[in-house]
Amino acid sequence: SAVISQKPSRDICQRGTSLTIQCQVDSQVTMMFWYRQQPGQSLTLIATANQGSEATYESGFVIDKFPISRPNLTFSTLTVSNMSPEDSSIYLCSVGGTGGASTDTQYFGPGTRLTVL
Amino acid sequence: SQQGEEDPQALSIQEGENATMNCSYKTSINNLQWYRQNSGRGLVHLILIRSNEREKHSGRLRVTLDTSKKSSSLLITASRAADTASYFCATDFRFGAGTRLTVKP
Repeated sequence: SAVISQKPSRDICQRGTSLTIQCQVDSQVTMMFWYRQQPGQSLTLIATANQGSEATYESGFVIDKFPISRPNLTFSTLTVSNMSPEDSSIYLCSVGGTGGASTDTQYFGPGTRLTVL
Repeated sequence: SQQGEEDPQALSIQEGENATMNCSYKTSINNLQWYRQNSGRGLVHLILIRSNEREKHSGRLRVTLDTSKKSSSLLITASRAADTASYFCATDFRFGAGTRLTVKP
């Protein structure tokens, strides 16, 4: 298994500003993912971040709005840029491939609750 | 984009009854995972079933996978009030809309 921590756990931000969310894993993992979850909704995959390569974004999400870094096998950041109230959500970091294979169990961090005023 | 779709969207049962939730997906998969999320809480991984498996058990949970029909089911037997939560299936890291299960004491 993997233990994942996220910082900050929550934040309240002003419109037009940016917030960087950090995700730290206690073991080296191949694949890291960033999700968004609106209240009462399911999880929506924003992007997949693999170390040593550019992040792969899902339809509807762009790098300018959600730049991602993946400097090593245990850490990643997601920035929410030029925020608007529509960006208010829970942002979740996730890891997969903890056993070295992409088919292994996916684990989730506790999430970052973002409110944009 | 979402891959799996759960059915039903909401399910209400009495304690002690069984609950069955279904998940359908569109493309070939490597595995399918089921998760539980209590209101306002984090995701709890329940079961991973690989594409070459047909059934897995974990305690009161039973998951089946039919790759020919591109569908999976999650059965919770002898349900408890504590099973009240949203249940999601995920294929290739993409989640369905979820089933909201309410177990009445």
